[in-house]
Amino acid sequence: DTEVTQTPKHLVMGMTNKKSLKCEQHMGHRAMYWYKQKAKKPPELMFVYSYEKLSINESVPSRFSPECPNSSLLNLHLHALQPEDSALYLCASSQGIELWGAFFGQGTRLTVV
Amino acid sequence: QKEVEQNSGPLSVPEGAIASLNCTYSDRVSQSFFWYRQYSGKSPELIMSIYSNGDKEDGRFTAQLNKASQYVSLLIRDSQPSDSATYLCAVNPARGGADGLTFGKGTHLIIQP
Repeated sequence: DTEVTQTPKHLVMGMTNKKSLKCEQHMGHRAMYWYKQKAKKPPELMFVYSYEKLSINESVPSRFSPECPNSSLLNLHLHALQPEDSALYLCASSQGIELWGAFFGQGTRLTVV
Repeated sequence: QKEVEQNSGPLSVPEGAIASLNCTYSDRVSQSFFWYRQYSGKSPELIMSIYSNGDKEDGRFTAQLNKASQYVSLLIRDSQPSDSATYLCAVNPARGGADGLTFGKGTHLIIQP
């Protein structure tokens, strides 16, 4: 199993809603990541979890709240988002990024209305 | 500030020819480099990694690294229409511990039948 699975694939939410994005991997990878990608832009790193602990937060607004319940799961909780937060949210995992790079899930296309 | 630079293109190459994609990076301590392919509306897919100066070949793909010039390239031989995609150069910033990848803006490659 070499997949990173993200749910849902598409999400439309209002600015007052609370929603969560989910990510799962069963490759035994020790690091998991959230990236945000706007149209025609490269992925931008949001958060890094290493051994289930948050190790990098790239100055992401508090309306985005990550959670790593266990070594296979990664969540991104969303609250009071703005229309400019509409983007493709990508989860990735890595066995060791310096040697193996990162493997991405198929992404969640988020639209904030 | 760490930067990864790519020509955004589009780069148009006839079918069967060699496509040459280039990338430069600013952070001298970077140790590992990756090429991702991203089809429109899809997530990035890891296609090549390189860590040492010189060439690394995998099928029709060859990655080249020159750390002295801070330059990475990807050659695609016998280009096929299915190679049409955006190619993202990614660098591991080697901050130690858990890192994310820093991406270039990507080169849009079009293979003309």
